[in-house]
Amino acid sequence: GDSVTQMEGPVTLSEEAFLTINCTYTATGYPSLFWYVQYPGEGLQLLLKATKADDKGSNKGFEATYRKETTSFHLEKGSVQVSDSAVYFCALISGNTGKLIFGQGTTLQVKP
Amino acid sequence: EAGVAQSPRYKIIEKRQSVAFWCNPISGHATLYWYQQILGQGPKLLIQFQNNGVVDDSQLPKDRFSAERLKGVDSTLKIQPAKLEDSAVYLCASSRGLAEQETQYFGPGTRLLVL
Repeated sequence: GDSVTQMEGPVTLSEEAFLTINCTYTATGYPSLFWYVQYPGEGLQLLLKATKADDKGSNKGFEATYRKETTSFHLEKGSVQVSDSAVYFCALISGNTGKLIFGQGTTLQVKP
Repeated sequence: EAGVAQSPRYKIIEKRQSVAFWCNPISGHATLYWYQQILGQGPKLLIQFQNNGVVDDSQLPKDRFSAERLKGVDSTLKIQPAKLEDSAVYLCASSRGLAEQETQYFGPGTRLLVL
């Protein structure tokens, strides 16, 4: 079945460092890909998405490019802030049911 | 626009007791989802409604879990009897429709601890 694999966390960075969180997927067909973020004490929020190969999703300085050839959707940010500390989830939807399949999540901690 | 509302926010029960969670989706959203998020894991879909009909409940443990969405708006998820392994955060989400590009909006979740 469809699945998503994320890099193990936690990831600890200093403020203004470059961030990459790896995400790869297995799916039949051509899924839509998402990054969700969960800030401490808050619910899941959509961060960005891409619906077809080579699309780049971006929001709040974060970017991810849909790479069909490597089945990847890595999350990047050029300069992280303390306020970016959260748990990041990569996810996909395959088919027309709208069912989200999530990775296990990666905790990011940014230190001042 | 009001977001997805859930209650209660926290619940502690003993095993073999029953518990119910409530969700009010964003107004006008036809699709409603219940996810279970065990500590350290990503959310897993339990059941999905389109209006008041079930689209997918393949991951719902039907011997103990039940859910309904009367009148195609609010939804309740029930566990009876609860087991220790049901300790998790139960997330409700809604979207305008089933299409892949429709964004799912999540509520704050109900954190359940079964002792």
